[in-house]
This record gives sequence, structure tokens and C-alpha cells, in this order.
Amino acid sequence: AAGVIQSPRHLIKEKRETATLKCYPIPRHDTVYWYQQGPGQDPQFLISFYEKMQSDKGSIPDRFSAQQFSDYHSELNMSSLELGDSALYFCASSFTGEQPQHFGDGTRLSIL
Amino acid sequence: QKEVEQDPGPLSVPEGAIVSLNCTYSNSAFQYFMWYRQYSRKGPELLMYTYSSGNKEDGRFTAQVDKSSKYISLFIRDSQPSDSATYLCAMSSGGSNYKLTFGKGTLLTVNP
Repeated sequence: AAGVIQSPRHLIKEKRETATLKCYPIPRHDTVYWYQQGPGQDPQFLISFYEKMQSDKGSIPDRFSAQQFSDYHSELNMSSLELGDSALYFCASSFTGEQPQHFGDGTRLSIL
Repeated sequence: QKEVEQDPGPLSVPEGAIVSLNCTYSNSAFQYFMWYRQYSRKGPELLMYTYSSGNKEDGRFTAQVDKSSKYISLFIRDSQPSDSATYLCAMSSGGSNYKLTFGKGTLLTVNP
């Protein structure tokens, strides 16, 4: 079965640069969620979109923004990157905003 | 105090053992309960999903939810070396609250 696809899998950036992470949900899923997982930490919710509208917001820095497009894929844009932004970024998707959420394999972002 | 508490382990058992993993939570609004398995450098993989209280069985896995005690469990029967991973409990209140709140994860090693 098709899963959540995230790209790129790995990304290396320097401080103050920008990064864009992409997420392609499971076919027919219309809800996308973004999570950040620091080393040895549990995933922390950042933001979610249902039918291309922001549906919920967590601890997402103002330097980050996200959107969901007409084909339901989503992009997380990160600017003025800081060392503390180094983490695994997961995208999850579900159908009509209902649980459960299915996760991709994440993008590992490293800030030098 | 975190909303969801989970013993991080590590937990080491011999092959064939019964494994019991647990989480407690403080938010009585949680209605959706999930267990995810996460291998190193991979995304969380959904194992079990339960709505409200009760038991659910799927092969070697059994999930239990006791909302009166705010306590959930995952049992793994006949554990295998391939079950070695980090197990994360996750919860959501649903409705307009889309996010998952995770426990810190329990690292399980099943020794052959």
C-alpha cells in the first residue's frame, strides 16, 4: 500500500539559510500533520491542514510556515535556520481529519 | 508534568517473552489512543488504534485502554527479535483538536 512520502530524506543547511520540506500524503487522505522530533525526544506537533486550510497549530516557530496545495501535498518552509532546528521532521496524513495518523519516514535536517 | 507519561526503559527481554508496555495520561479529554513502533531512522509505524475504553487484539498485539484510570497498555505475545524498536503511545482528543500527544517512547530489545 502507498505510504506517506517525504522529501528530501536528508538536508544539510547552514545557520540563517532557508529550507523547504515536502510531504505527499497517502492517496485520498486530505489531512496533513507536521511534527518535529529532536534527538531522544518524542514527536512534537507543529501544524496541520485539512482540505487546504490550517486546522490546528502547535509549537511552530514564527520562522516556519506551511501550506497544503490543491493536490493535498504540503510544504513546510523554514527560514533563518538555527542550530536548534536540527531534528527529524515527520509528516503524517489521515482521512477527513480523523485518527489514526500515518507517518512518513521523515526528513533529517542538520544545521551546521 | 507531561500530559502523557511513558517509562523510557530500556526494556530487554528474551525471545518468546510477553512484553507489557504502559502509558498514563492526565488529560481526560483524550479519546483516541494509538501505539506506534519506530525503528531507528524510520517514521512511527501504526500498530494499534483504539477509540475510547476497551481491548483490541491484532495477531500478537493486544491494546487495552482504561479511561477511568487514565492508563493504556500494549501487550506483545511471543516476542521476536524483529520487535526490537522504540514503542510510542500517542493520544488525541479529536474534534477540532487534530494533534497527537506522544509519550517519550520505550526502547525494547528482544534477545534471540
